[in-house]
Amino acid sequence: EVQLVQSGAEVKEPGESLRISCKGSGYTFANYWINWVRQMPGKGLEWMGNIDPSDSYTNYSPSFQGHVTISVDKSNSTAFLQWSSLKASDTAMYYCARNLDDYSSSSFGPWGQGTLVTVSS
Amino acid sequence: AFHLTQSPSSLSASVGDRVSITCRASQGINSDLAWYQQKPGKAPNLLIYDASRLQSGVPSRFSGSGSGTDFTLTVSSLQPEDIATYYCQHFNSYSVTFGQGTKLEIK
Repeated sequence: EVQLVQSGAEVKEPGESLRISCKGSGYTFANYWINWVRQMPGKGLEWMGNIDPSDSYTNYSPSFQGHVTISVDKSNSTAFLQWSSLKASDTAMYYCARNLDDYSSSSFGPWGQGTLVTVSS
Repeated sequence: AFHLTQSPSSLSASVGDRVSITCRASQGINSDLAWYQQKPGKAPNLLIYDASRLQSGVPSRFSGSGSGTDFTLTVSSLQPEDIATYYCQHFNSYSVTFGQGTKLEIK
């Protein structure tokens, strides 16, 4: 079964750093792009960016460029989303999602279960 | 900037009704469009890809149509378990855009 499993919920203070993870299984991890999607409380889906695990090539949404970093550890079939300095406005659910097809332009499937990040002083 | 506009933003219908949600792209996108269902507290789930192809395991009462700028998701006979928010999505080699969502409720 193709599956993405994300790391657990996090509670952080403003200014702290954070890295959350997304581990793939049941398929050849290097062959499928991984995407990150933000969902703020009560709001819609926002694409943040994606990464090609075969060579770590990334694309970022202009809305998130410079504020987050997407990376991958191909040897452990794991993708990461990282912040160097969190803000209260980063409070949200974060989903990873694999491309359905093994090329860069594709719909998403499957999705991880989500990681809730709460930033509060 | 490219954007997707869904209508309506919310919809209330009865069990057994035929329901349609539309998604309009600000420029032509061929058939590079997908539809997702998100139930409360859950991750989104792919329903339709390439505008009209039904994802494996999705009930056949869901269907998608359209190409270019105008797309439609149809539920042929609404079931209680279809209560969810539905999103359209466009993708290309360097960017992904979601519609703002349509919340579907049962009367």
